Amino acid sequence: DTGVSQDPRHKITKRGQNVTFRCDPISEHNRLYWYRQTLGQGPEFLTYFQNEAQLEKSRLLSDRFSAERPKGSFSTLEIQRTEQGDSAMYLCASSLKGTYTFGSGTRLTVV
Amino acid sequence: AQSVTQPDIHITVSEGASLELRCNYSYGATPYLFWYVQSPGQGLQLLLKYFSGDTLVQGIKGFEAEFKRSQSSFNLRKPSVHWSDAAEYFCAVGAAGGTSYGKLTFGQGTILTVHP
Repeated sequence: DTGVSQDPRHKITKRGQNVTFRCDPISEHNRLYWYRQTLGQGPEFLTYFQNEAQLEKSRLLSDRFSAERPKGSFSTLEIQRTEQGDSAMYLCASSLKGTYTFGSGTRLTVV
Repeated sequence: AQSVTQPDIHITVSEGASLELRCNYSYGATPYLFWYVQSPGQGLQLLLKYFSGDTLVQGIKGFEAEFKRSQSSFNLRKPSVHWSDAAEYFCAVGAAGGTSYGKLTFGQGTILTVHP
């Protein structure tokens, strides 16, 4: 197990299209987080899961965003009807007892 | 609500010089505190963390940070900077309990430039 994997690394999409990102956490980590990072800013919390339960969602997560973590393993983040303002780096992290590991992120560009 | 302030957006130092990056946090209880480093286009790498105990924390790559509760600060230091330290540095605070346990709040980051 080499860490948190995110796929794809880069995604370019046209405005209005749907996109889905995948995150594979460290297998023994029970918590999984999604963050969004725009240029020049620190990461901002979007949502997190404990096992398969989604426990908190940020107000940043509009109705166009949905996240799932079936069976408490990998997670997907879907953005419907993408807008230019959705262009950002989407980071996934997993944790166990306060030890966090971040993935390399998925950079989304909406054109 | 928790918050983090990194007052310096950009710092430039010469290679071999000492470094201090400032971080001030706001949190109603004892926080978990972290410093991460990010190279362009990459994810976040943990440098060090403070949960409890000794307020001077040692991390990787020769970095250390000191938790000062009275000043609500968690400044990052390195005695001698290397050119490879050029990157963006983020301070983060995490909830130690409650419903938001584990959620991190990040500062805006400090970009470090190292001159040869």
